[in-house]
Amino acid sequence: QQKVQQSPESLIVPEGGMASLNCTSSDRNVDYFWWYRQHSGKSPKMLMSIFSNGEKEEGRFTVHLNKASLHTSLHIRDSQPSDSALYLCAASIDYNQGKLIFGQGTKLSIKP
Amino acid sequence: GPKVLQIPSHQIIDMGQMVTLNCDPVSNHLYFYWYKQILGQQMEFLVNFYNGKVMEKSKLFKDQFSVERPDGSYFTLKIQPTALEDSAVYFCASSSTGVSYEQYFGPGTRLTVL
Repeated sequence: QQKVQQSPESLIVPEGGMASLNCTSSDRNVDYFWWYRQHSGKSPKMLMSIFSNGEKEEGRFTVHLNKASLHTSLHIRDSQPSDSALYLCAASIDYNQGKLIFGQGTKLSIKP
Repeated sequence: GPKVLQIPSHQIIDMGQMVTLNCDPVSNHLYFYWYKQILGQQMEFLVNFYNGKVMEKSKLFKDQFSVERPDGSYFTLKIQPTALEDSAVYFCASSSTGVSYEQYFGPGTRLTVL
């Protein structure tokens, strides 16, 4: 059964600091990883996706992927109070028509 | 950016009744999904739908569940009859292709079954 594990469960980071979130899949067939952000009571919005080994940066957000270990991480630098949210990692497989398997999420709180 | 709409935002019904959740996906998107999120728990895949057909459904997609999108109108999730454990937020999503393209999520319908 496909499983996506995220750590830590919750994280408190001071404003201006760096937040680092982790995600690992147990399914070797996974082709794509997605990071979504969900503010309380709202829908998930995609932050970044990564499909190949290495690193991708967009503004304050950097995502890494190690395909051998099926581990991805999201790093947020210069964290802002508006970054406080639930961060969801999801994985998908090429032949599964886009079905996303989500982790349980990391609750990030940025302390002013 | 592209928006997915969901109607209604909240629905309260008695156990055993039928409910239909409506989703207006992003225009020109071809793949449609329903996910279920129980308060404080993981977002879970229910079903995906393409070209008028269910492509895959999870074990959460019980026999009482059905989906359809008649002639490009709303993409609907119908539950008949409802059970207490169906209480959750149901999110609709759509994407232009099924595989490597972003899924856009609607705001969710909070369903409460009494």
